Amino acid sequence: QVQLVESGGGVVQPGRSLRLSCAASGFTFSSYGMHWVRQAPGKGLEWVAVISYDGSNKYYADSVKGRFTISRDNSKNTLYLQMNSLRAEDTAVYYCAKSQDSYSYGGNDAFDIWGQGTMVTVSS
Amino acid sequence: EIVLTQSPATLSLSPGERATLSCGASQSVSSSYLAWYQQKPGLAPRLLIYDASSRATGIPDRFSGSGSGTDFTLTISRLEPEDFAVYYCQQYGSSPFTFGGGTKVEIK
Repeated sequence: QVQLVESGGGVVQPGRSLRLSCAASGFTFSSYGMHWVRQAPGKGLEWVAVISYDGSNKYYADSVKGRFTISRDNSKNTLYLQMNSLRAEDTAVYYCAKSQDSYSYGGNDAFDIWGQGTMVTVSS
Repeated sequence: EIVLTQSPATLSLSPGERATLSCGASQSVSSSYLAWYQQKPGLAPRLLIYDASSRATGIPDRFSGSGSGTDFTLTISRLEPEDFAVYYCQQYGSSPFTFGGGTKVEIK
């Protein structure tokens, strides 16, 4: 079945780095734009970043621009989020999500499949 | 950036009642690229409605979406026990793809 599984979360000190992974299965990963969305404890959803199906286009929320990098390896069916210069306000559950339609840059499509999320805690 | 404002923040209703959730946008959402998601505690969001009024795969027909431009509505015609959750609207027509703050539908 269609599935996304995040990994790589944990506790990290402010200023340090962390890389999240999202393993996809059950669909043609290389045909779909992919997103990262986060949710701070007890708060709402915040879109973080998107990457097009072929990796040629990437967009970021202002809150993470210059610190986070989204990437993908279509040969491994895996999405990544490299998070540098982490701050306490980056503490959240991070979800990866699939764009609904194929061969798009990731925009103009709802997010039809979500992973279960991975928790990132930034604390000294 | 398009800001989405959801109202009310909390809706207290009984099973069988009708729920009407609103989502207002600070500027027009292009091509009605608006979605609604349901989230239950400890779980990932689930897509309910896309393109303002199209139901996602497997979503019961008691869920319906309407609206265009800056005003959108999610209606649950008759609340089932499993519908008590938090609902988010989201626009995906222009980056950043913003979410509303959510409406919690709780049991009265």
